[in-house]
Amino acid sequence: NAGVTQTPKFRVLKTGQSMTLLCAQDMNHEYMYWYRQDPGMGLRLIHYSVGEGTTAKGEVPDGYNVSRLKKQNFLLGLESAAPSQTSVYFCASSLSGKLFFGSGTQLSVL
Amino acid sequence: GQQVMQIPQYQHVQEGEDFTTYCNSSTTLSNIQWYKQRPGGHPVFLIQLVKSGEVKKQKRLTFQFGEAKKNSSLHITATQTTDVGTYFCAGPSMEYGNKLVFGAGTILRVKS
Repeated sequence: NAGVTQTPKFRVLKTGQSMTLLCAQDMNHEYMYWYRQDPGMGLRLIHYSVGEGTTAKGEVPDGYNVSRLKKQNFLLGLESAAPSQTSVYFCASSLSGKLFFGSGTQLSVL
Repeated sequence: GQQVMQIPQYQHVQEGEDFTTYCNSSTTLSNIQWYKQRPGGHPVFLIQLVKSGEVKKQKRLTFQFGEAKKNSSLHITATQTTDVGTYFCAGPSMEYGNKLVFGAGTILRVKS
């Protein structure tokens, strides 16, 4: 039982490049989330999903897209990366409101 | 929109001293959760408080939910080096489908 798995763990992009972050959970949770963490700003909700095939915007959705084609997977895409998207990205899933986080992806955009 | 604020942003204590972090919401919360993130790690769930005035203890950690359900605190008695990390409070936001909105966190450092 791996819990929540994020790939990759580290990535460096050039401005304008695109990439997809993958999140997978094996706990059969309905709800999944993407947060970003920046110094002094805590965790900010980017997008979330309440079930397969559904997505919704969070606090800071601009510049990101998401997809939940399968219940166990939640993908976060950056179509044209910007330096402001340099951050640590955490995926989470939840059961009864309690969040289970992945180990994070450290993304740098140069 | 709803805001969740935490103070202090940073605290450095001597091992054995007590530590408290405070969380305040701009709106009434149905519940509040606390998470701990060790340096280089990911947030881990500690506890959820639901009732007005609720107090819960986990060994040296004491969690309180205010009577008005707009504030909360986490108190650690006699800190140890294992308590080092960032402590976050989080509350559901009606603006985002009752999904959790986090405070900025309090970074705790413990001098041994």
